[in-house]
This record gives sequence, structure tokens and C-alpha cells, in this order.
Amino acid sequence: SQQGEEDPQALSIQEGENATMNCSYKTSINNLQWYRQNSGRGLVHLILIRSNEREKHSGRLRVTLDTSKKSSSLLITASRAADTASYFCATDPTGGGNKLTFGTGTQLKVEL
Amino acid sequence: SAVISQKPSRDICQRGTSLTIQCQVDSQVTMMFWYRQQPGQSLTLIATANQGSEATYESGFVIDKFPISRPNLTFSTLTVSNMSPEDSSIYLCSVRSGGNTGELFFGEGSRLTVL
Repeated sequence: SQQGEEDPQALSIQEGENATMNCSYKTSINNLQWYRQNSGRGLVHLILIRSNEREKHSGRLRVTLDTSKKSSSLLITASRAADTASYFCATDPTGGGNKLTFGTGTQLKVEL
Repeated sequence: SAVISQKPSRDICQRGTSLTIQCQVDSQVTMMFWYRQQPGQSLTLIATANQGSEATYESGFVIDKFPISRPNLTFSTLTVSNMSPEDSSIYLCSVRSGGNTGELFFGEGSRLTVL
């Protein structure tokens, strides 16, 4: 079964706006990761945040992690049309045998 | 990092046939992961392929339907057997960095359509 539930399922914004996606999960984790997928192609890793970290930045990406609420958020600032893609969170459960479990995903569309 | 090549990139198959997907990695890795992504859905782990041992399958996936080979540390195959239209999906091979604790690297996937 899916470990992570993401919301919103779909998000449409204008170029230049910020996009926020949320991920909730159910069990304790070693880390949480965010991935991007363009048009049914392979996934590309964006950022990894460990369970003892609360916030992490990478370029226009900002990820937060709240282990007490078992939730994470991905913020993309100053979005561009090229950010249009599906975004997935993936959790690395404690004692999970190195296997990542993916969330349901958010489809982001950035319009010009 | 790791570069993963998958073949075929896409195929159209007839019901009842089988297809083998190949996954080649440019470095030696202990674990390789096979995921399925059904249309419009997220990724579901099928199995973990370890070199020199039987693959470990997730709940809902069985070896008879998805036999996996792992002949060496850079290569694996996944066969989708006796296909039905419900098997139409993207099948993705992946490996982890950092001694299996880091990020996943994915191939471009194999998009199968079963008629």
C-alpha cells in the first residue's frame, strides 16, 4: 500500500508564483525524498531530508519535515513553465530494508 | 550517481505473451529495484533483485508472474509473463546511492501496452 498521501492531487499556477505540495506518511522514517517525473519518463531525485532535519533548501526548492505530524512539504519558488511535471514524495521507513515507498503524487502545471 | 539503461523503451504486446525488460547499470550495485507505474498512478515496488540470490517480492507480486534475473552486479531483467491489459504500465528499474541509503536513480522506464 502507499506510504505517502500527497495533496493536492493537481495544482495549476501561473509562472512566477510559488507552488506548495504536501506529503503525509504513516510510520517512522530514516529520511524522506522528493522526486520529479516529466510525462511518464523516469523519475529524477530532487532533494533528501533526514529524519533529524527540519528544513532543507536546494536552489528554488525548500523542503520541510515535521516528524511529529508525519508530514513534509515541498515549496517551489518563482515557478517556471519548465517545472510542469508530477512530483512524488518517497519515504525510507525505519527497518524498511532500504526500500522506498512512493506517495500518490501531485501534478503541477505552470502556465505562462 | 548511476546511469541506468532500460530496453525496450516501449512495446505493444498481445494478450497472453511474455516480455522481458532489461536493465543495465554503469556501476556495480548490490540491490536493484523494479517498480511498476500504472497509468496515472504512483510507483509500486514489485521486487528487489539481489545478485546471487532470489529476488524478494512485495505483497501482491509473485515470481511466476514477474520472474527476475540478476546474473551480475550491473544487470537485471524483469519478465512480465502471460500478459493481460491490466499489465499495461511503465516498468522502472532503479538503484540506490550511498550504500543503499541515499537517493534512487531511475532508468527511463519501459512503457508496455497490452492489447
